Order: sequence, then C-alpha cells, then structure tokens
Amino acid sequence: EAGVVQSPRYKIIEKKQPVAFWCNPISGHNTLYWYLQNLGQGPELLIRYENEEAVDDSQLPKDRFSAERLKGVDSTLKIQPAELGDSAVYLCASRGGEGTGELFFGEGSRLTVL
Amino acid sequence: GQQVMQIPQYQHVQEGEDFTTYCNSSTTLSNIQWYKQRPGGHPVFLIQLVKSGEVKKQKRLTFQFGEAKKNSSLHITATQTTDVGTYFCAGRFGGYQKVTFGTGTKLQVIP
Repeated sequence: EAGVVQSPRYKIIEKKQPVAFWCNPISGHNTLYWYLQNLGQGPELLIRYENEEAVDDSQLPKDRFSAERLKGVDSTLKIQPAELGDSAVYLCASRGGEGTGELFFGEGSRLTVL
Repeated sequence: GQQVMQIPQYQHVQEGEDFTTYCNSSTTLSNIQWYKQRPGGHPVFLIQLVKSGEVKKQKRLTFQFGEAKKNSSLHITATQTTDVGTYFCAGRFGGYQKVTFGTGTKLQVIP
C-alpha cells in the first residue's frame, strides 16, 4: 500500500514569490493534516480536513496561506507571497477512520525562502 | 491554549544506558501518542495510550500515561545506536481528531 505522497521534496524560492505543495494521502483516509515543522521543533498544525471540509484552520495564517482539498482526496497548500520566516518543512499526514488513530506522515516538503 | 511540553530537550547517553523523556500537558488529554523522527526523516507512530494510568511495552520501550491524563513518559532500556532520533508525544484534547505535538526530545546515543 502506498504511503502519503508529497511533492516537491525540496523547493527554493525568493521572498515574495508564490509556492505550492501537494499531498496525496493514503487511499481511504478521510482526515488530512498539514503541519509546519521548524528545525528542532515539533510539528505545528496548520489545517485539518475531514473529507473536503476544513474543520480546524485556526493556526493557518490566512493572509498568505491557503489550502484546498476539493474532492476530499489530495490537497494543496499554497503560500503567496512567501516570507523569509516561512522556511520550514511542510508535513502532510493522513488518518483512517478506524484503528489506533495513528497519523501517517509523508516525507515532507522542505521550503527555503531566500 | 492547549500546549504539550517535553523534557529534556536534548539527551546524550552512552550506548547501553537508559533514557527517559517526559511529556506534560496543561489540560487533560483524551489520549496521547508517541512518535519517533529519525534525522532527516518524518515522524513515525510508535504507540497510543488511552486509559488513565495505562502502561504499554514494546521490547525495550515502556510507555506510561499518568493517572490524571495530563502527563506521559517514554522509557528506553539499554539504548542502542538505532534509538537515535527525536521523540515526540502528541496529545488529543477533547475531540478525537485534533492532534497537538510536543516540543520533542532529541536523543543521541554514543557508541
């Protein structure tokens, strides 16, 4: 079974440029999370989806960040315009409806803003 | 807000020594999970604890959930170099789906 797939793995952009990250969760997983992880810190929740509905986006900086999960499957996280402080790893995770509640993480997208 | 703190932030041990990391929440947790993140990798699920006072073991790893469901610990017996990484606790507050990660404890094992 394929895991959570994220792309791109690495992205280097100049400040004020836009950037987008894509995530394809494990098939059948209704819950999808986007986390931000700064170096040496724990993942911080940006947004959580239940199917196509964003049920928790209180931590998402909505002036520059946006996300969508139109068909309740894959998701896109966008930053426009990017700032120096946005340099971090953006992690996507998904969770199935049953079981231990385990979050399955993708490899992450490492963003560097110059 | 709902925060989850971990101590220590870093720990260096000689191979064969024991290691413990502690997780504390400001409010009662519904349950708590533990994840391991290897250098350059992504968090990988280890275990979930749900019941007050629950203790679970996985080989050399022992996980505990406090009686008040506000704290938890992970203990590794006789560390090995393969245990290197950062250990995160992740708590659920109230609703089942919202997961808040702790600050993490980075473990270095000296051969």
